[in-house]
Amino acid sequence: EDQVTQSPEALRLQEGESSSLNCSYTVSGLRGLFWYRQDPGKGPEFLFTLYSAGEEKEKERLKATLTKKESFLHITAPKPEDSATYLCAVQDGSSNTGKLIFGQGTTLQVKP
Amino acid sequence: DSGVTQTPKHLITATGQRVTLRCSPRSGDLSVYWYQQSLDQGLQFLIQYYNGEERAKGNILERFSAQQFPDLHSELNLSSLELGDSALYFCASSQGPAYNSPLHFGNGTRLTVT
Repeated sequence: EDQVTQSPEALRLQEGESSSLNCSYTVSGLRGLFWYRQDPGKGPEFLFTLYSAGEEKEKERLKATLTKKESFLHITAPKPEDSATYLCAVQDGSSNTGKLIFGQGTTLQVKP
Repeated sequence: DSGVTQTPKHLITATGQRVTLRCSPRSGDLSVYWYQQSLDQGLQFLIQYYNGEERAKGNILERFSAQQFPDLHSELNLSSLELGDSALYFCASSQGPAYNSPLHFGNGTRLTVT
């Protein structure tokens, strides 16, 4: 069964203090790994898709990387506006559907 | 703005009642997905429709049903509501049935069952 585990559950950082969020996954055949950002009371907002081990994607202060078993979301010099819940999800290539299986998320709080 | 529209934003109803949640996908997207998000369960996949036909089913209760209409909008019907059905219900859309493309989410309907 496909499974996604994110750690830590919550992370508090000072503004400018870089860190990483982890996403471990088990899937029959990975079609894609997705990162989303979710603000309170809003729907998840798409950030990145990674397709194969070794791939990296960057957007502003965020950088996502992928290995065969996990993905990392690196946050460099975060700002308070980066505070949100970050969700990781996988798409199983062995199933004929585009559904995503989500982890529980990491709630990031960045203090000024 | 993701382009996915969900109505209503909030819904408060009593146990035993029936409600309908509506979703309009992004222009050009043929797939619609429904997810349930509660505090202890995270985002749980319920069901996917592609171009009017059911494509995949997840942890959807028998009391819940969905459909996608010819104009591609979708409705999620929840009946015989229980307190535990209180949650955020999200709709998402994507272009194809099973592409490796991201899902784009609406801002959800918050359902409160009293």
